[in-house]
Amino acid sequence: GIQVEQSPPDLILQEGANSTLRCNFSDSVNNLQWFHQNPWGQLINLFYIPSGTKQNGRLSATTVATERYSLLYISSSQTTDSGVYFCAVWRTDKLIFGTGTRLQVFP
Amino acid sequence: DADVTQTPRNRITKTGKRIMLECSQTKGHDRMYWYRQDPGLGLRLIYYSFDVKDINKGEISDGYSVSRQAQAKFSLSLESAIPNQTALYFCATSGPEQGYGYTFGSGTRLTVV
Repeated sequence: GIQVEQSPPDLILQEGANSTLRCNFSDSVNNLQWFHQNPWGQLINLFYIPSGTKQNGRLSATTVATERYSLLYISSSQTTDSGVYFCAVWRTDKLIFGTGTRLQVFP
Repeated sequence: DADVTQTPRNRITKTGKRIMLECSQTKGHDRMYWYRQDPGLGLRLIYYSFDVKDINKGEISDGYSVSRQAQAKFSLSLESAIPNQTALYFCATSGPEQGYGYTFGSGTRLTVV
């Protein structure tokens, strides 16, 4: 089956720093999404981004489907950004998740 | 009320016991899913259903069964729980198009002792 790899697995930042999270996938996909799991376990949909670039406040995402990767940018990080970030790819109506990047932002 | 409600939130059960996790949604979506999350492994799909009469196995369906009682209700059962089924379980629902309104419940933390 398709492999979805995220890097780095762990990231520690000081408040105000910028970061880039990467998602590589091993085969062509229909679409891709980014999710944030907060420290209380709740999963929130961040972006639905099959290709191109989207921005939402301090977060933006870029997917280059032809090269099989997606990037999530977090600018001016805040402690509320802490948690785990998952990318997930769509394959024939099923969502396949990566293993996540755990982000900790300290004041 | 939450769009997707899971009950119970936490459960400790003994090996060999039957347990049911319940999920209900108010989004009016036809599609519902059950995932489990293990540390370091992300979320893996157990079962999914695209309407009341449709049930499909996911990546890791062995040891689990599901029931779609209504459009809004999708339950997951462990017929004989074993310790390696200890995990965080999530229910989700989505609209008919990929990426449309994918919404997760708050999760059920299950411990099998």
